[in-house]
Amino acid sequence: DAGITQSPRHKVTETGTPVTLRCHQTENHRYMYWYRQDPGHGLRLIHYSYGVKDTDKGEVSDGYSVSRSKTEDFLLTLESATSSQTSVYFCATQGFNYGYTFGSGTRLTVV
Amino acid sequence: DQQVKQNSPSLSVQEGRISILNCDYTNSMFDYFLWYKKYPAEGPTFLISISSIKDKNEDGRFTVFLNKSAKHLSLHIVPSQPGDSAVYFCAASTTTSGTYKYIFGTGTRLKVLA
Repeated sequence: DAGITQSPRHKVTETGTPVTLRCHQTENHRYMYWYRQDPGHGLRLIHYSYGVKDTDKGEVSDGYSVSRSKTEDFLLTLESATSSQTSVYFCATQGFNYGYTFGSGTRLTVV
Repeated sequence: DQQVKQNSPSLSVQEGRISILNCDYTNSMFDYFLWYKKYPAEGPTFLISISSIKDKNEDGRFTVFLNKSAKHLSLHIVPSQPGDSAVYFCAASTTTSGTYKYIFGTGTRLKVLA
């Protein structure tokens, strides 16, 4: 969906380094979400935001932090990357229906 | 303690036949359900939804059925087409607050054989 862009699309990083993933939306949606997708686990919620500077934890938030300084940007930071954080990360916005629109994802590999 | 379960990791169906994908949930507070389709290297895309006040919702070839007493929903695709080959996720949420924190199942990989 052209309304949500995630960057980078792919990243390889070393264990112990900090990593920031960016989600940018152009639809002015209030609610934004970060999920990770892993085999056998589906999509799991990491953090979400319900407005500028308003964020809360999801079910797998340990090792992650988020920030939302502007409506359009929602950043996910891995404070000290570990191999268990190798995953595909999806950002989503919640529109005026009850569903999400997802970005194209960021494939992160921690070596 | 998976609250949303898709017990079939994969399903193969002949082109033109019906595909039935199943999803079970444990939380009786869930009152809104979605199905998403995902192709490789792309984000999930919305397919169809159903509210707990309904037991069926139809959109073209796609129909979702909800059985609240059994805590079960299913997605029917008729007729199935090769382009339907993808991973399908069901998701559930409560709608008591403004934010909908969907819980997703683990997905079912559908392969439609030409």
